[in-house]
Amino acid sequence: EVQLVESGGGLVQPGGSLRLSCAASGFTFSRYWMSWYRQAPGKGLEWVANIKEDGSDKYYVDSVKGRFTISRDNAENSVYLQMNSLRVGDTAVYYCTRDNNYASDSWGQGTLVTVSS
Amino acid sequence: QSVLTQPPSVSAAPGQKVTISCSGSSSNIGSNYVSWYQQLPGTAPKLLMYENNKRPSGIPDRFSGSKSGTSATLGITGLQTGDEADYYCGTWDGSLSAGVFGGGTKLTVL
Repeated sequence: EVQLVESGGGLVQPGGSLRLSCAASGFTFSRYWMSWYRQAPGKGLEWVANIKEDGSDKYYVDSVKGRFTISRDNAENSVYLQMNSLRVGDTAVYYCTRDNNYASDSWGQGTLVTVSS
Repeated sequence: QSVLTQPPSVSAAPGQKVTISCSGSSSNIGSNYVSWYQQLPGTAPKLLMYENNKRPSGIPDRFSGSKSGTSATLGITGLQTGDEADYYCGTWDGSLSAGVFGGGTKLTVL
């Protein structure tokens, strides 16, 4: 059974940093692209970033470019999202997903990031 | 403002059929596969449809997907109260080099 478990969320002040982690199990992690999504309170889904199987390609939504960095450790079956210069508008539940067949076919339960002073 | 356009809400009676539209452009829907996601209240999204019209295992055939040009459609027949959820379409945008989603459609089964 595919499992994705996010961690690392919490309350942070504007301008601060957080590192989200996603631990994957139940599949061969190194064979899949992985993505991060977010959903602000009461709002829709927003794709944030993705990373190729070997980490050689990464893509980001414009609003986080230069502030967020996606990475992965295939030996640890984990994907990460380093978030710097956080803004109030980054407040959201962040989801980790496995990508397959041009879609995100497995989702974690999400971790809440709150940016507030 | 979402790149893909969905109606904010749709509704129908139990047992009836509903369709949800998703409109984009040549750089996204027009040139890439569309996927659909169901998000029940208080839960994480779940993949409902991939590659325009393929259902993951476990998704009943009451759910169908189609794509034509720069638009896609999700159809749900035999509506059940358990289908009440938010539905999102998504795809890749080659011009933006980014994933793009619709704003979501809230389905109410009256």
